[in-house]
Amino acid sequence: DVKVTQSSRYLVKRTGEKVFLECVQDMDHENMFWYRQDPGLGLRLIYFSYDVKMKEKGDIPEGYSVSREKKERFSLILESASTNQTSMYLCASVKGTGGGYGYTFGSGTRLTVV
Amino acid sequence: GENVEQHPSTLSVQEGDSAVIKCTYSDSASNYFPWYKQELGKGPQLIIDIRSNVGEKKDQRIAVTLNKTAKHFSLHITETQPEDSAVYFCAASAGTGFQKLVFGTGTRLLVSP
Repeated sequence: DVKVTQSSRYLVKRTGEKVFLECVQDMDHENMFWYRQDPGLGLRLIYFSYDVKMKEKGDIPEGYSVSREKKERFSLILESASTNQTSMYLCASVKGTGGGYGYTFGSGTRLTVV
Repeated sequence: GENVEQHPSTLSVQEGDSAVIKCTYSDSASNYFPWYKQELGKGPQLIIDIRSNVGEKKDQRIAVTLNKTAKHFSLHITETQPEDSAVYFCAASAGTGFQKLVFGTGTRLLVSP
């Protein structure tokens, strides 16, 4: 069964900490994404990557960075966590560059910053 | 850029009734429209999708319709069951030559026995 795996289901971090959220996919997909999900706001795109070492800003990149050193792994980094980054974070991947395919999502990481 | 609006935000139906969720999009170049179901504690899961060259697609109890002229698309669930209770998201492709999706804000569907 193909899979997108997020390393943590729940995380609690302190304000100012550097936080790493890890995502691994086993489908050899070129494209990977990080979204955050907040009630009433839906899924908002933070960053995406269409190839190893390539990254593009999404709609809300402020306060975040990403790393993609290997095709299967896409990491989201909160440089200095703040309480307004408390949220559900979802990783997704999809094949190809021509469009028209559905994403496969991970189960999410619920991050609480205190 | 692309903007997707989704209505209603919550929908309560009795088991066996039909449910309809509607979305509108702004970018006439969008050509791919998936629907996702998110159950409690899980990530969204693709349930059906439609491409711009098709007006309707059906898979058992779920169907999606697309009106390109009006730039709206809808999810129809017939004979609803309690296990259909979840949050549903619509999405539309954005940009050209790249698989980027813009999501609606979600609809919480509650099916009561």
